[in-house]
Amino acid sequence: TQLLEQSPQFLSIQEGENLTVYCNSSSVFSSLQWYRQEPGEGPVLLVTVVTGGEVKKLKRLTFQFGDARKDSSLHITAAQPGDTGLYLCAGDSGGGADGLTFGKGTHLIIQP
Amino acid sequence: EADIYQTPRYLVIGTGKKITLECSQTMGHDKMYWYQQDPGMELHLIHYSYGVNSTEKGDLSSESTVSRIRTEHFPLTLESARPSHTSQYLCASSELGGGLYEQFFGPGTRLTVL
Repeated sequence: TQLLEQSPQFLSIQEGENLTVYCNSSSVFSSLQWYRQEPGEGPVLLVTVVTGGEVKKLKRLTFQFGDARKDSSLHITAAQPGDTGLYLCAGDSGGGADGLTFGKGTHLIIQP
Repeated sequence: EADIYQTPRYLVIGTGKKITLECSQTMGHDKMYWYQQDPGMELHLIHYSYGVNSTEKGDLSSESTVSRIRTEHFPLTLESARPSHTSQYLCASSELGGGLYEQFFGPGTRLTVL
């Protein structure tokens, strides 16, 4: 069974600070996706990383895929209250048609 | 924005009742999925479908069943609900884009069985 470990599990910081959350596995994934989920809603896809060492930027969010395609990080610059939510990483072991393996997520709270 | 819908959004029922959770998507996606998520926990895949008349069981064993008679519709049924079925159920669909299947989720159904 492939497992994705996310850390930290909970993070509460002040508006304007920077933060990094991590997604680690002992397994290799063909791609890795990051989602944000708000209470009572379904996850919303933020980005997909495919190539080892790949870096993608989405405004203040920077996503990196590890060289070995076993881990990923999400860095947020100058966090805002609107960034509050549950951040989930999900790995695709091949093709994606058979569903994704999800981590437990990082609960992020940005205080004004 | 993804066009995938789930009804009902919230359901509270008694033990032993039969229920069907509805999921529909208007994007013409062939692949559809059902995940189960307990509060503060990860999503677990319980069912998926490659297309019409295709259904497969996911990683997490579930007493629910699914059907796929039409491309846009992927309902999940519990014949006899129990308190252990209390959870959030999320439906998703995906398309092949750039060699990847990127999944789009519905808003979920929060089920409480008393």
